Amino acid sequence: NAGVTQTPKFQVLKTGQSMTLQCAQDMNHEYMSWYRQDPGMGLRLIHYSVGAGITDQGEVPNGYNVSRSTTEDFPLRLLSAAPSQTSVYFCASSSPGTPSSSSYFGPGTRLTVT
Amino acid sequence: AQTVTQSQPEMSVQEAETVTLSCTYDTSESDYYLFWYKQPPSRQMILVIRQEAYKQQNATENRFSVNFQKAAKSFSLKISDSQLGDAAMYFCAYRTNRDDKIIFGKGTRLHILP
Repeated sequence: NAGVTQTPKFQVLKTGQSMTLQCAQDMNHEYMSWYRQDPGMGLRLIHYSVGAGITDQGEVPNGYNVSRSTTEDFPLRLLSAAPSQTSVYFCASSSPGTPSSSSYFGPGTRLTVT
Repeated sequence: AQTVTQSQPEMSVQEAETVTLSCTYDTSESDYYLFWYKQPPSRQMILVIRQEAYKQQNATENRFSVNFQKAAKSFSLKISDSQLGDAAMYFCAYRTNRDDKIIFGKGTRLHILP
């Protein structure tokens, strides 16, 4: 199993550009989510999904869109990048309801918006 | 709303000594999980230890153990026989059993002194 994969690892965007951060998992997990990590802020939830076709907003959703057409993939779209979106982005997945349920994290994407 | 507080932004410990990282949380839920994640310079989020709220026994994983005080909403991490490889950012995290939304503390940076 590859676990949770994210692409790209690094990205530089100009203000106003759009892009999609990719996230895929091969563990057949129902739950997937996106977090951003900023210095001194810990990780904050952007969007999450409890299954294919179902998404909801987290703590900091503005400026981001998501969709979940398959169990495996959960892309994060930045429609018009802003310098405030400079951050490290993590995707996570888990399978709920089991006693040993844990979230698995991807390796992260470092995004810089100039 | 649930919150997680880590009151120690940075800590240092001598190699081979024991160190305790503090975490408190606030929730009205009765069924939840608590986690400690380690984030080394590689940025990867690594699960250190997990505690189910319904279990009274404190979780242990080799040199890592927790002191879970449910009534006080406290969840501290003890690292015994500290090693240079333990140097990292440590995040305390909370998750309900209903969904995959994880609430993170702001982290404690742990330095190991040789």
